[in-house]
Amino acid sequence: AQSVAQPEDQVNVAEGNPLTVKCTYSVSGNPYLFWYVQYPNRGLQFLLKYITGDNLVKGSYGFEAEFNKSQTSFHLKKPSALVSDSALYFCAVRDIRGTALIFGKGTTLSVSS
Amino acid sequence: KAGVTQTPRYLIKTRGQQVTLSCSPISGHRSVSWYQQTPGQGLQFLFEYFSETQRNKGNFPGRFSGRQFSNSRSEMNVSTLELGDSALYLCASSPRDRVTANTGELFFGEGSRLTVL
Repeated sequence: AQSVAQPEDQVNVAEGNPLTVKCTYSVSGNPYLFWYVQYPNRGLQFLLKYITGDNLVKGSYGFEAEFNKSQTSFHLKKPSALVSDSALYFCAVRDIRGTALIFGKGTTLSVSS
Repeated sequence: KAGVTQTPRYLIKTRGQQVTLSCSPISGHRSVSWYQQTPGQGLQFLFEYFSETQRNKGNFPGRFSGRQFSNSRSEMNVSTLELGDSALYLCASSPRDRVTANTGELFFGEGSRLTVL
């Protein structure tokens, strides 16, 4: 069965410091991986995706993610965190049966000033 | 281009009632899917529609149903509401169908928050 895991419920980082939000996946075949962000009382906003190609994927708002096949990981990163980055972040993998996404439990990112 | 629109944004129902939620996808998007978000279970896939046909279904009881109209707008219905149905229901649209390579992202609405008392 396909799944994603986000091992940290919460990540705390100071503004200006680099941030990493971790995600590992379990899929059969080639994974289609996504990161989404959710602000309070809002829907999910797409950040970036990995389909194939370069292992370092660049996305919206200065975020990037590194795909590592040997470690089955797809960690979200940003070189310098902003207070406005504070939100709930979801890693997801596409279900091989169709367009459904299988989401991780989410990681709350808190950036302090 | 307008985003995904969900109505109503908030609603309160009592146990045993039924509810209908509406979703208008981004213009030109033909695929609509629904997700349930709760603090305990996280985000769970409900179903996906394309061209008025349900293409995929998650692991939810038959009380949860949906449909898609010819203009791609979609509705989902929950009958005989239970307390555990309290959740944020998210609709997402995609420009791709199941035949072509489904590598695109989903575009989510802001959700309908259902409270069951």
